[in-house]
Amino acid sequence: DVKVTQSSRYLVKRTGEKVFLECVQDMDHENMFWYRQDPGLGLRLIYFSYDVKMKEKGDIPEGYSVSREKKERFSLILESASTNQTSMYLCASRRGQGTSSYEQYFGPGTRLTVT
Amino acid sequence: EDQVTQSPEALRLQEGESSSLNCSYTVSGLRGLFWYRQDPGKGPEFLFTLYSAGEEKEKERLKATLTKKESFLHITAPKPEDSATYLCAVPAGGTSYGKLTFGQGTILTVHP
Repeated sequence: DVKVTQSSRYLVKRTGEKVFLECVQDMDHENMFWYRQDPGLGLRLIYFSYDVKMKEKGDIPEGYSVSREKKERFSLILESASTNQTSMYLCASRRGQGTSSYEQYFGPGTRLTVT
Repeated sequence: EDQVTQSPEALRLQEGESSSLNCSYTVSGLRGLFWYRQDPGKGPEFLFTLYSAGEEKEKERLKATLTKKESFLHITAPKPEDSATYLCAVPAGGTSYGKLTFGQGTILTVHP
């Protein structure tokens, strides 16, 4: 079974803090993704990585950065947290190129509250 | 532009009352359609992949079907534990990295 884990289920941070969200997958997947999910807006892609040290912006990258130093780990960084970044953050992974399977497997999510 | 539209937004059923959820899509070159189940406060759980029109997949009380324009998730004799949000998604056109376009989801509530 694919296993995607996220470092925290719940996180409370103050405005202006630097926040790190960690995601680890154990299936040797090449592609990893960070989404945020908000009521009425659905799932929105923040960043994705198609290989180690490789990244691309998704639909809403502003205010975020990412790091992928190892294949199994993908980190999302909020450089200076703001209240409008209060959200559910979801990490996902997928087998990479060379496969016709596009389904992504999600972690349990991190509920981040910025006060 | 790729689009995925799910209907209805919310569906309330009595236990045992069968029904269907709809997912309409517009994408250039379909490379699969995915159904997920999401419980409150949790990440989406992968259910099915459908690749071509006419294909069907089943899992317990759920059956997913696909046409050239839409997919249906049929729920037969649902139970309260089937209550969840059901999401469908398609790979975005023109990319090889598997970006997905998601629908807004259907919130299913099954009353005992």
